[in-house]
Amino acid sequence: GAVVSQHPSRVICKSGTSVKIECRSLDFQATTMFWYRQFPKQSLMLMATSNEGSKATYEQGVEKDKFLINHASLTLSTLTVTSAHPEDSSFYICSARDRMGATQYFGPGTRLLVL
Amino acid sequence: DAKTTQPPSMDCAEGRAANLPCNHSTISGNEYVYWYRQIHSQGPQYIIHGLKNNETNEMASLIITEDRKSSTLILPHATLRDTAVYYCIVRVGLLGSNYKLTFGKGTLLTVNP
Repeated sequence: GAVVSQHPSRVICKSGTSVKIECRSLDFQATTMFWYRQFPKQSLMLMATSNEGSKATYEQGVEKDKFLINHASLTLSTLTVTSAHPEDSSFYICSARDRMGATQYFGPGTRLLVL
Repeated sequence: DAKTTQPPSMDCAEGRAANLPCNHSTISGNEYVYWYRQIHSQGPQYIIHGLKNNETNEMASLIITEDRKSSTLILPHATLRDTAVYYCIVRVGLLGSNYKLTFGKGTLLTVNP
């Protein structure tokens, strides 16, 4: 299947700092990318959907000014957690699909710990 | 998108077939059934999807009932590495259309030696 990578795989930061997570589609052009968040022992929750070159669409309850998403190219999307707090500690997973959209592929996830 | 119901957990002996059920009684005609799995601390992995017909690939088989109200994912020879949470997801839309995958709680499959 298609490959989606994320960087970094783990990050620890101090409260109040900002953290950027990158998501790349390695062997296909990702016209649509998604960002999910997963808390321990819970399922994945969709945070936002972004189409290349457009503003992201956020799910209800997700603060767009806190979780900045950029999808500037067909192979790269970034999620920036601004002014991170301990409650933002979670497993962040990106996903991507191409223009045909038959299958959505997921990255390996980024574990964020805010101290 | 139609809601799905899966048992919270199942056990399977290594080497045996694992049959994971999913109910989607409110599925409509243009909704596909997708299966993903998530091994602990990893991102979800695509397994298989189908609309009406049974499907098979190198990982698994998907059996969809004639009325499409339920389906079964079959792992023919389960190994310890197949221990994971398996998600059955129904999503609307044809190829190329906009859709988003909504994850339920899934089934934790534990393969025992």
